[in-house]
Amino acid sequence: GAVVSQHPSRVICKSGTSVKIECRSLDFQATTMFWYRQFPKKSLMLMATSNEGSKATYEQGVEKDKFLINHASLTLSTLTVTSAHPEDSSFYICSGGGLTDTQYFGPGTRLTVL
Amino acid sequence: RKEVEQDPGPFNVPEGATVAFNCTYSNSASQSFFWYRQDCRKEPKLLMSVYSSGNEDGRFTAQLNRASQYISLLIRDSKLSDSATYLCVVRSGGYQKVTFGTGTKLQVIP
Repeated sequence: GAVVSQHPSRVICKSGTSVKIECRSLDFQATTMFWYRQFPKKSLMLMATSNEGSKATYEQGVEKDKFLINHASLTLSTLTVTSAHPEDSSFYICSGGGLTDTQYFGPGTRLTVL
Repeated sequence: RKEVEQDPGPFNVPEGATVAFNCTYSNSASQSFFWYRQDCRKEPKLLMSVYSSGNEDGRFTAQLNRASQYISLLIRDSKLSDSATYLCVVRSGGYQKVTFGTGTKLQVIP
């Protein structure tokens, strides 16, 4: 299947700092990528839809000024958690689809905010 | 009503048993359906797509019932390695937005 990479895989930061997570589609072009968050023992929750060359679409309850999404190319989307706080600690996963409906997921980024 | 609902389990079954999961969805216009498997602290991986005619892949059988708006996953001859959380995924709309169920946890016991 298609490959999606994420970087970093794990990050620990101090409260108040900003963290950028990269999501790359390695062997397909993704006009749309999705960002999810997953708290321990909970389901994946869609945060936003990242659209190449345009603004992201955020789900209800997700602060767009806190979670900045940039989709500058067909293979790269970034999520920046601004002024991170301990409650933002979570597992962040991106996904993208190729020419089919199937979504391919990145390996995830585990964020811990101290 | 949630868009996609699953019994969270856990389902504890002995090796070799047959186990079935159901998932209901609320949007009658939903177009595509999938089962994903997620191991602890890992990303979801596609297990199989679900087609209207039903489909089988080895020990796994998926079925779709559009009239009742549910999909199912049947696992035969369970293996210890099948222990995971199984996510029901539904795609609706003209683009690839998908909605996840909360997942059903399966634990296969020796």
